[in-house]
Amino acid sequence: EVQLLESGGGLVQPGGSLRLSCAASGFTFSSYAMSWVRQAPGKGLEWVSAISGSGGSTYYADSVKGRFTISRDNSKNTLYLQMNSLRAEDTAVYYCAKVGIAVTYEAFFDYWGQGTLVTVSS
Amino acid sequence: DIQMTQSPSSLSASVGDRVTITCRASQSISSYLNWYQQKPGKAPKLLIYAASSLQSGVPSRFSGSGSGTDFTLTISSLQPEDFATYYCQQSYSNGYTFGQGTKLDIK
Repeated sequence: EVQLLESGGGLVQPGGSLRLSCAASGFTFSSYAMSWVRQAPGKGLEWVSAISGSGGSTYYADSVKGRFTISRDNSKNTLYLQMNSLRAEDTAVYYCAKVGIAVTYEAFFDYWGQGTLVTVSS
Repeated sequence: DIQMTQSPSSLSASVGDRVTITCRASQSISSYLNWYQQKPGKAPKLLIYAASSLQSGVPSRFSGSGSGTDFTLTISSLQPEDFATYYCQQSYSNGYTFGQGTKLDIK
């Protein structure tokens, strides 16, 4: 059974930093790209970042580029999101998601964690 | 960046109704379109991938169609557990943009 378990959320002051983790199990972690998606309170889903299975390719939304860094440790089956220079508008539930690939190469997010809440406030 | 626009933003319907939600991309995305269902306080759940492929375990009353810029999610006969918010998502570019969501509630 695929399981994704996020941790590391909490209250942080504007300008501060936080590192989120996502522990994965139930699949060959290094074979799959992974992604972070966030959802501000009462708002829709916003894609944040993605990383290839090897970790060699990373992608970011313009809203977090230069402030957030996605990484992974395939030996520990863990995905990370380092968040620096946090702003009030970064307040959201952050989900990690496993990226699946169709036989015709379309990508999709087939498994999601339960989410971790990040609150940026003074 | 590719923008995704869903319509309607909200929808009221009754159990047994046939419901259609539309998603439009700002440029052609071929069949790189996914649909998710989200219930309050829960993580999203994948329903449809690659525009029309039903995710394993998802009831067959859900179906997806379209290609290029215009896509639809259809629920053939609404069940009580289907009242939720639905999102489309493009995976054509590495931005993986979501639509703004369609909230489906009970009439």
